Amino acid sequence: AQSVTQLDSQVPVFEEAPVELRCNYSSSVSVYLFWYVQYPNQGLQLLLKYLSGSTLVKGINGFEAEFNKSQTSFHLRKPSVHISDTAEYFCAVSDPDYGGSQGNLIFGKGTKLSVKP
Amino acid sequence: DAGVTQSPTHLIKTRGQQVTLRCSPISGHKSVSWYQQVLGQGPQFIFQYYEKEERGRGNFPDRFSARQFPNYSSELNVNALLLGDSALYLCASSSGRSEAFFGQGTRLTVV
Repeated sequence: AQSVTQLDSQVPVFEEAPVELRCNYSSSVSVYLFWYVQYPNQGLQLLLKYLSGSTLVKGINGFEAEFNKSQTSFHLRKPSVHISDTAEYFCAVSDPDYGGSQGNLIFGKGTKLSVKP
Repeated sequence: DAGVTQSPTHLIKTRGQQVTLRCSPISGHKSVSWYQQVLGQGPQFIFQYYEKEERGRGNFPDRFSARQFPNYSSELNVNALLLGDSALYLCASSSGRSEAFFGQGTRLTVV
């Protein structure tokens, strides 16, 4: 079965500094990978996704992630964070053999990003 | 366009009671999935329904059940509530291979 590991439960960072949130997944023949953001008392919003093609994926709000098949990683990066990026970030994987839809996502435990002025 | 809507937003129930949570997907989306998010954890997959058929079930007891209606809306039912069922229940809809869009969730508290 697929599993997702987010290596840091909390990441404090100063405003305008770069940030990397790490995500590793268990190996599989092929996977779809996602990063979601959750603000307090809100649902999940998709930041970016990797389905196929270029391993560098750009998303909303200046975030990007790189798919590394050999290291089974999908780390999220932003070159300069803002106070408004303070939220919880979830990495998720979907088995593309599962009906081809993204209706069954396996999430990591989340990383709380705290941006300080 | 309206996003995924869930009702109610908050709910307090007593142990042993039953609860029904509702979800309306984005117009045109035929797939609805349910997730449970316990405080401090990532969401855990409970069910997926597609075209009114169950397409997948996570590792949850039989106290959890769901169904999807002809208009693609969905209900999640939980019987014999336990304190450990207290969580944010999220509904997501998608269309074929499109991304999953999540609702704001229903916060269930069992006392």
